[in-house]
Amino acid sequence: AQSVTQPDIHITVSEGASLELRCNYSYGATPYLFWYVQSPGQGLQLLLKYFSGDTLVQGIKGFEAEFKRSQSSFNLRKPSVHWSDAAEYFCAVGARGYQKVTFGTGTKLQVIP
Amino acid sequence: NAGVTQTPKFQVLKTGQSMTLQCAQDMNHEYMSWYRQDPGMGLRLIHYSVGAGITDQGEVPNGYNVSRSTTEDFPLRLLSAAPSQTSVYFCASSHGGGSGGSGANVLTFGAGSRLTVL
Repeated sequence: AQSVTQPDIHITVSEGASLELRCNYSYGATPYLFWYVQSPGQGLQLLLKYFSGDTLVQGIKGFEAEFKRSQSSFNLRKPSVHWSDAAEYFCAVGARGYQKVTFGTGTKLQVIP
Repeated sequence: NAGVTQTPKFQVLKTGQSMTLQCAQDMNHEYMSWYRQDPGMGLRLIHYSVGAGITDQGEVPNGYNVSRSTTEDFPLRLLSAAPSQTSVYFCASSHGGGSGGSGANVLTFGAGSRLTVL
């Protein structure tokens, strides 16, 4: 069965600092990987996705993520965090031809001035 | 283009009552699903459907029923509500993407329905 681990429940960064959110997945074949963001009281919005090809993927709002098969990881990064990035971030895994998407438990990001 | 519409946004029930959470999408997506979100537990899949007339169970199906009579609608029914079903519920949809197209598995979410069971 597919699964996702987000080891950091809560992260605090200063505005302008760099950010890395960790994600590890478990899946037997080549996964589809996603990062979603949820602002307070809102639904989830797709930040970026990896299906195949280039292992460094760019997303919206200046985010990027790198797929590392050897480490079963798909960490999310941003070089300079803005106060508006404060939200909860979810990593998710799916698979080609198989519609179920499994989510991690989320990482809540706090941005301090 | 409304995307995924969920109703109601808020609901309070008493233990044992029944209700239906409605979900409708206007994107002609084959795949629809229901998740519940609880603090510290992320999103857990309740039920999903890969097309009209086809449904299947997710991780936490007990206490919930679904049906898919049309492509657009995927209601979630609570037959006898319990306090453990207090949660925020999200409906999501995507293209089928069996061939691995760019829309495959990319979920579009509704705004959520907050349910409290007393």
